[in-house]
Amino acid sequence: GNSVTQMEGPVTLSEEAFLTINCTYTATGYPSLFWYVQYPGEGLQLLLKATKADDKGSNKGFEATYRKETTSFHLEKGSVQVSDSAVYFCALLLTGTASKLTFGTGTRLQVTL
Amino acid sequence: GAVVSQHPSWVICKSGTSVKIECRSLDFQATTMFWYRQFPKQSLMLMATSNEGSKATYEQGVEKDKFLINHASLTLSTLTVTSAHPEDSSFYICSASQAVGTEAFFGQGTRLTVV
Repeated sequence: GNSVTQMEGPVTLSEEAFLTINCTYTATGYPSLFWYVQYPGEGLQLLLKATKADDKGSNKGFEATYRKETTSFHLEKGSVQVSDSAVYFCALLLTGTASKLTFGTGTRLQVTL
Repeated sequence: GAVVSQHPSWVICKSGTSVKIECRSLDFQATTMFWYRQFPKQSLMLMATSNEGSKATYEQGVEKDKFLINHASLTLSTLTVTSAHPEDSSFYICSASQAVGTEAFFGQGTRLTVV
């Protein structure tokens, strides 16, 4: 079946530190990959996405590259801010599956001054 | 981007009563809508998939008689939690997509507390 595995949190970083949140996937086809962010008490917001191998998604300083050879989509940011504190979800979507996303368990990021 | 609005944002109800949560796509027609449940500090659990004009497809273990889903139009889906109990307290999130295999957009979620 399809699945997404994320590194366990919480991840605690100081402001301006480098962030990496690992995400690997298994899928029966060729999925699109997504990172969503959830701020406290809110729904999910799409952070970035990539639809095919070697694509790089980027937004708000965050980046992730679709690596087919390692089935990974690691999230990175060069310098985190306190406002980046949230829960980050990696997800995959297979075309033809009625847009049913498969989510990872989420990684909580806490950024301190 | 596309906007999905969920209402209410939070609700408190008494045990035994029913609660309706609405999910609306504001600027696009949603062929498919999804309902998720999220427990504290956990990931999203898909409850059901609904297509406009047809019955919802429930995931294994989700009681269809307890969680009634209606997708009467291309812009509105509703989730009704019937005879709510404290264990139904959770964060419920909907998402909507315009076509099969396309990106889904999420509502802001509804926190349900049953007392």
